[in-house]
Amino acid sequence: AQSVAQPEDQVNVAEGNPLTVKCTYSVSGNPYLFWYVQYPNRGLQFLLKYITGDNLVKGSYGFEAEFNKSQTSFHLKKPSALVSDSALYFCAVRDLESNYQLIWGAGTKLIIKP
Amino acid sequence: KAGVTQTPRYLIKTRGQQVTLSCSPISGHRSVSWYQQTPGQGLQFLFEYFSETQRNKGNFPGRFSGRQFSNSRSEMNVSTLELGDSALYLCASSLVAAVNTEAFFGQGTRLTVV
Repeated sequence: AQSVAQPEDQVNVAEGNPLTVKCTYSVSGNPYLFWYVQYPNRGLQFLLKYITGDNLVKGSYGFEAEFNKSQTSFHLKKPSALVSDSALYFCAVRDLESNYQLIWGAGTKLIIKP
Repeated sequence: KAGVTQTPRYLIKTRGQQVTLSCSPISGHRSVSWYQQTPGQGLQFLFEYFSETQRNKGNFPGRFSGRQFSNSRSEMNVSTLELGDSALYLCASSLVAAVNTEAFFGQGTRLTVV
């Protein structure tokens, strides 16, 4: 079965520093990976996706993610964190064995301190 | 282009009652998924509909049901409400259910069972 793991419940970063939110996956076949962000009392917003091609994927709000097949990882990154980046981040993978259902990680709370 | 609309935004119900939540997907989107989000359990998949057919179902009791109409609007129903059903219920729509399509989320319905 496909699965996604976000090993950190919370990540704390100082404003202006680079940030990384980790995601690892387990799939049979090619992975189709997504990152979403959720602000308080809101729905999830799509950030970026990896389907095929370049391992570095650029997305919304200055975020990017690096796909690493050998490490089965898809970490979310940003060169310089903003206080407004503080939110809950979810990684997801399409489950090809279950009609392309999205399988979600548990989420990582990102806190950017001024 | 209007986003995913969920109504109502907030609901307070009493144990034992039933509730119906509504989701209007983005125009042209045929796939609608429902999720339950609680602080301790993260995002839990309820079900997915595509062209009025249920394609996937999560591991929830039969008290949780849903349907999709010919215009792609979807409703979910919870009967015999329990205190543990208090959660944010999120709806997401996709153009189609395919590996490379991202889902777009509504702002959710906050259900409180007292």
